[in-house]
Amino acid sequence: QLVLTQSPSASASLGASVKLTCTLSSGHSSYAIAWHQQQSEKGPRYLMKVNSDGSHRKGDGIPDRFSGSSSGAERYLTISSLQSDDEADYYCQTWGTGILVFGGGTKLTVL
Amino acid sequence: EVQLVESGGGLVQPGGSLRLSCAASGFTFSSYWMSWVRQAPGKGLEWVASIKDDGNEKYYVGSVKGRFTISRDNAKNSLFLQMNSLRAEDTALYYCARVFGGMAHFDFWGQGTLVTVSS
Repeated sequence: QLVLTQSPSASASLGASVKLTCTLSSGHSSYAIAWHQQQSEKGPRYLMKVNSDGSHRKGDGIPDRFSGSSSGAERYLTISSLQSDDEADYYCQTWGTGILVFGGGTKLTVL
Repeated sequence: EVQLVESGGGLVQPGGSLRLSCAASGFTFSSYWMSWVRQAPGKGLEWVASIKDDGNEKYYVGSVKGRFTISRDNAKNSLFLQMNSLRAEDTALYYCARVFGGMAHFDFWGQGTLVTVSS
């Protein structure tokens, strides 16, 4: 079964960096994922696609502060030079034949 | 500029029906898979349904199969979700989303339309 696992919460200080993790279920470690950001009371926004080799392709207008990487079944979103409006929920998402799947989301607090 | 604007949400009684619409602009609508994604109050995102660019393939999450129908009108750049036999657990903000790379990842989202199922 295709499942994505995310930690419910993370926090980091203004100006610091944070690395969010999304873990693919057993047998699916070669899958690509996408990261989406959802700020409070807003619709989601696509950030990037992250492939199993760590390469990533960002959406339009996504700052260089956002980057993606991979290791085994884990996919990462790193945000550097944290700003107050990076405080948001971050969801990973993947796909299989006839199915699209979201992780549970990570709520990022910027201290 | 890609724009997706949902409409049609509202309050409906359990067992009732509702039809959501999504007006798309700023891209060649007929070239993309499209999807509906929902978010229950205080919860995460849940994929609901997807439809191929030509309308010939459709997929649904198990909890809505047989009750919801996704469709599209490429001549009018519009996406629809017909929701029947609505339940309280269908209460959510429903987002229209463009899908990139076939049926792969979402790359543009609307702002959502709220569906409340309650007596």
